[in-house]
Amino acid sequence: AQKITQTQPGMFVQEKEAVTLDCTYDTSDPSYGLFWYKQPSSGEMIFLIYQGSYDQQNATEGRYSLNFQKARKSANLVISASQLGDSAMYFCAMREADTGGFKTIFGAGTRLFVKA
Amino acid sequence: KAGVTQTPRYLIKTRGQQVTLSCSPISGHRSVSWYQQTPGQGLQFLFEYFSETQRNKGNFPGRFSGRQFSNSRSEMNVSTLELGDSALYLCASSFTRQGNLSPNTEAFFGQGTRLTVV
Repeated sequence: AQKITQTQPGMFVQEKEAVTLDCTYDTSDPSYGLFWYKQPSSGEMIFLIYQGSYDQQNATEGRYSLNFQKARKSANLVISASQLGDSAMYFCAMREADTGGFKTIFGAGTRLFVKA
Repeated sequence: KAGVTQTPRYLIKTRGQQVTLSCSPISGHRSVSWYQQTPGQGLQFLFEYFSETQRNKGNFPGRFSGRQFSNSRSEMNVSTLELGDSALYLCASSFTRQGNLSPNTEAFFGQGTRLTVV
């Protein structure tokens, strides 16, 4: 079963508008971390934002915010005031305990296209 | 502060050969993870090392192996290469404050090594 689900293979947004990228996750572990990464065409994964399972408030980092709904097991990324440079693949990831350590699992990604 | 460095950036090998990829983490980071990224399978976890010990391993055959040195640099090795091993291999390093990995350990990725098996 998929542990991280990103249902939007591709998204278009107009420059300067906000966009929400969806992510749902599945875990029975009460302690976990949720991350969003951006991967431009160069290939490097860039960390954007983190949300801990015990965090009471939604995480924010500049133009990025994470809409964390724990009961629904969703962790949607909101990008405000989109810029052309935001065009990239975006991955949702979850880090949870595994045998002897921790494992980070990534979703399939959403490709975002920002239109001028 | 230098980021995560992966070498080489690009590699072409033939089936049956073996390959070694290198990853130098950010200074002070003791945890290194490896991932394989393909268009069909997406990003898949290979292994995670902390202080020279493999802490976790993904569902990959034994042809995939790795190690970590005392300076935290890590290598991964793939033997008897198959065409399906063609992928972008990403390395990530993490800082651990108390010596124990935790769910809130953010990872910093290198630019990856693009391996093509022909």
